Amino acid sequence: DIQMTQSPSSLSASVGDRVIITCRASQSISSYLSWYQQKPEKAPKVLIYGATNLQSGVPSRFSGSGSGTDYTLIISSLQPEDSATYYCQHSYGFPRTFGQGTKLEIK
Amino acid sequence: EVQLVESGGGLVQPGGSLRLSCAASGFFFSDHWMSWVRQAPGKGLAWVASINQPGSETYYVDSVKGRFTISRDNAKNSLSLQMSSLRAEDTAVYYCVRLSSSWRYYDYWGQGTPVTVSS
Repeated sequence: DIQMTQSPSSLSASVGDRVIITCRASQSISSYLSWYQQKPEKAPKVLIYGATNLQSGVPSRFSGSGSGTDYTLIISSLQPEDSATYYCQHSYGFPRTFGQGTKLEIK
Repeated sequence: EVQLVESGGGLVQPGGSLRLSCAASGFFFSDHWMSWVRQAPGKGLAWVASINQPGSETYYVDSVKGRFTISRDNAKNSLSLQMSSLRAEDTAVYYCVRLSSSWRYYDYWGQGTPVTVSS
């Protein structure tokens, strides 16, 4: 099974900051990597798919990069509404696995 | 507008059974893989099961194999998860999710239905 290791598990940043969250797969997943944002008591929503593709309707301050085993979610200028938990997930095969999540707090 | 509406969650005793349903609308249901994802209280997301478009292929996380069955009725635009031999660790919110046709990511999620396994 492919393990997804996400870091950090939590972080606190200020409005306007550049925020980076990383996700490492235990083997190559050929960019079959998506990022999800979840706010309390809400269903997750997709931000990035295929490692680098921005989902329609998602603000352009969100971007993704990476290949092989290492991937990154970048928020270029943090906004108050970005306070949430972020998850990566691979879709290279089964079982699908999520990272453990990154809880992002606004200072 | 794509909609996924789950139902069937509730309180069940350990060892009991429950059937979750998901009513899909706003898209060609038979064109998409579908999945169930769950989230235990205060925990992260966990993939549970997936099914292909005709329902001929199913995949499960190891912890539910032999206990859960995912199925679909394309004529009724519905997805189901039959859960049996339920354990306390199955307590979670269960989400019905649609797989995008490309890149295999979850592009639409239901609102979730809570399942509590407790005596």
